[in-house]
Amino acid sequence: QKEVEQNSGPLSVPEGAIASLNCTYSDRGSQSFFWYRQYSGKSPELIMFIYSNGDKEDGRFTAQLNKASQYVSLLIRDSQPSDSATYLCAVKGGLIFGQGTELSVKP
Amino acid sequence: GAVVSQHPSWVICKSGTSVKIECRSLDFQATTMFWYRQFPKQSLMLMATSNEGSKATYEQGVEKDKFLINHASLTLSTLTVTSAHPEDSSFYICSASREGISNEQFFGPGTRLTVL
Repeated sequence: QKEVEQNSGPLSVPEGAIASLNCTYSDRGSQSFFWYRQYSGKSPELIMFIYSNGDKEDGRFTAQLNKASQYVSLLIRDSQPSDSATYLCAVKGGLIFGQGTELSVKP
Repeated sequence: GAVVSQHPSWVICKSGTSVKIECRSLDFQATTMFWYRQFPKQSLMLMATSNEGSKATYEQGVEKDKFLINHASLTLSTLTVTSAHPEDSSFYICSASREGISNEQFFGPGTRLTVL
């Protein structure tokens, strides 16, 4: 079982819609969870991190954590074509990455 | 703040040669630096963790004699790929973290290595 699993996609949503990205993890002891965005050929950039169960909002982004079910998700509201990228979930202090979900936002 | 640079941004070398990649934290002291490798369409794979002044800790399956890591100061870590072969061609990314900053990592821009 992989430590972090994500649906590789591609996930395609129309501009203005909500994009929902999901991530599950195997280590119940994980305390911190990170979402990164990675454009092709570039290094990851941090979107947000979350430690506590529930929702954490930052602008158009909302991270949701459910430790009992061992999943963390990222919602992107009012998706824009510029949001088209691969989104990486990371656990264990941000050191272990999922395979990433490719998001495509269509104009 | 929290800028990490890498040099070179890309390198092409012949099989059998060694390549050194530098990772610098420009505006902060990095207690720990990390090296990742990313193959096309795959995720980042942690290769090793390095702390200033001590030996790097390598992840399982990573050859420490092939991927030499030196963390000489709180702002500089280097990765040397020794006797590079075409299968070592990849995107190498470093990151750095600051003590007490919620485990947040700051990533360098990456180095694209192509071994002919």
